[in-house]
Amino acid sequence: QPQLQESGPGLVKPSETLSLTCTVSGDSISSSSYYWGWVRQPPGKGLEWIGCMYNSGTTYYNPSLKSRITASVDTSKNQFSLNLKSVTAADTAIYYCVRGGVELSKWFGELPTYYFDYWGQGILVTVSS
Amino acid sequence: SSELTQDPAVSVALGQTVRITCQGDTLRSYYATWYQQRPGQAPVLVIYGKNNRPSDIPDRFSGSSSGNTASLTITGAQAEDEAVYYCNSRDSNGDRPFGGGTRLTVL
Repeated sequence: QPQLQESGPGLVKPSETLSLTCTVSGDSISSSSYYWGWVRQPPGKGLEWIGCMYNSGTTYYNPSLKSRITASVDTSKNQFSLNLKSVTAADTAIYYCVRGGVELSKWFGELPTYYFDYWGQGILVTVSS
Repeated sequence: SSELTQDPAVSVALGQTVRITCQGDTLRSYYATWYQQRPGQAPVLVIYGKNNRPSDIPDRFSGSSSGNTASLTITGAQAEDEAVYYCNSRDSNGDRPFGGGTRLTVL
C-alpha cells in the first residue's frame, strides 16, 4: 500500500515561491500505471485541483494556476514536486499530494473514470509576511 | 474548465438512505469519483467508475450515473458517515474539477 508524504515550509512570504515535495513509499513513481498530482484546500473551504503529471512527461494544470506552476518528478528519489510562484494570501491552504489512476471503458456504453486513490496527510502552507 | 455542482448540505436519519448528487456536463463523458472527508482528515476515495468501491469502503456506499448527473447513495447511514463528500471528474481538456462539496449530517 503506497504512502505519500508532503514536505516543505509551512510559511511563505507574499510574492515568493511555494515549494513542496511529495515522497512516495510502497510504490514506484516510475510505474506507468499511475500518475501523480496535487490538490489544495483553503482553510474552511472545498478542494481545488492543482495539477497532474504523467510519467510520459505530460502535465495538466488548473487553468487558473497554470501561469504560476512548475511541477516535476524525480524518479531517483521517488519524489515529485510543486513550485507555485508569486504567492498571495489566497494561496494559503492545506496542500495534498495524490496518486491517480484511470479505469478505461470495458464495455460499450461505459465511460472512463479518473480517480485519486491515495492521498498524503496534507501540509498547511500559510502565505504571510 | 468544467464545473461540477453539488448541494451544500444534506441530512439523513440514522439508518436511513441518503443520495448525494453532482451535476455537470463533463459527467456525460466521464464517470464521477466520490471522496469522503471527515473533519481534520485527508479525503478518502469511496466510489469510482460505474460503481466501484476500494476494498476498505463499506458496501452501503454505492454510485450511479445518468446523463449529466452522478449520485452517491448511502444505504443505512451510520454516524461515522457524517462528513463532507466531494465529487470529481475529468473534462475534455484534462482538467480535474471538484464539486463544491456536500456536508452530510446524520441525525
